[in-house]
Amino acid sequence: AQSVAQPEDQVNVAEGNPLTVKCTYSVSGNPYLFWYVQYPNRGLQFLLKYITGDNLVKGSYGFEAEFNKSQTSFHLKKPSALVSDSALYFCAVRDDGYSNYQLIWGAGTKLIIKP
Amino acid sequence: DAGVTQSPTHLIKTRGQHVTLRCSPISGHKSVSWYQQVLGQGPQFIFQYYEKEERGRGNFPDRFSARQFPNYSSELNVNALLLGDSALYLCASSLSQGRGSPLHFGNGTRLTVT
Repeated sequence: AQSVAQPEDQVNVAEGNPLTVKCTYSVSGNPYLFWYVQYPNRGLQFLLKYITGDNLVKGSYGFEAEFNKSQTSFHLKKPSALVSDSALYFCAVRDDGYSNYQLIWGAGTKLIIKP
Repeated sequence: DAGVTQSPTHLIKTRGQHVTLRCSPISGHKSVSWYQQVLGQGPQFIFQYYEKEERGRGNFPDRFSARQFPNYSSELNVNALLLGDSALYLCASSLSQGRGSPLHFGNGTRLTVT
C-alpha cells in the first residue's frame, strides 16, 4: 500500500539557521514526490517535485529537497530559514505503478521559525 | 492569470442538508481534483475529473458526488450532511492528468455542519 510519513508534527528553527522537514514514503512502483506549503486559512501551494534525474531538486522560495531511494526519503531543506517560512508543510506521493492518479499525503509538519 | 477560485469561502449547514461547492480551474487546466482536509490532517482525495470524465474516486460514501462542466469548472455535491463532513474542501487544477503534473489549489471552502 502507498503511504507517506512525516515523523515530526512540529519543527522549531531559529531564523538564519538551516532547516530540514522530513518525509519518508512507501510505494510499489517509482515515486513521484511533491512538497506543498499551507499558510493559515489558505490552500496548498506547490513548492517542488521529484520525478526522475538529479536527487537534489530545487524549488520555490529557496527550498530544495533531497531524494534518497535507498532510504525512501524526500526531505525538504533550506540553507537559511526566514520567519516568513513558518507554515504547515505537506509531503505527497504518486506511484507510477498505480492506476489511480490520486496523491497520497502526509499528515503535515508545522514549521516554526523563531526570530 | 487568475488562480483556482472556489465558492463560497465559508458555509454553515445543518445535519441532513445538502451542499454544493464550486470550483473554477486555472485557464487552460483540464483536470480538477477535490480534496477534504480535516483540521490537523493532510488532504484526503475525493475525486478527480479530466475532460469532464471521472478519472479517480477516493474512499468516500455515495453521498459525495461531483461533475465537471464543458468549461472545465466543477461542482462537488454532498447530500445528507453529517457532523463529520465539517472540513476544508479544496479544489485543485492541473494542466494534465499526468502523474508528474503539480496541483494548483484554491483557498478552499470551509464547511461547518451543525
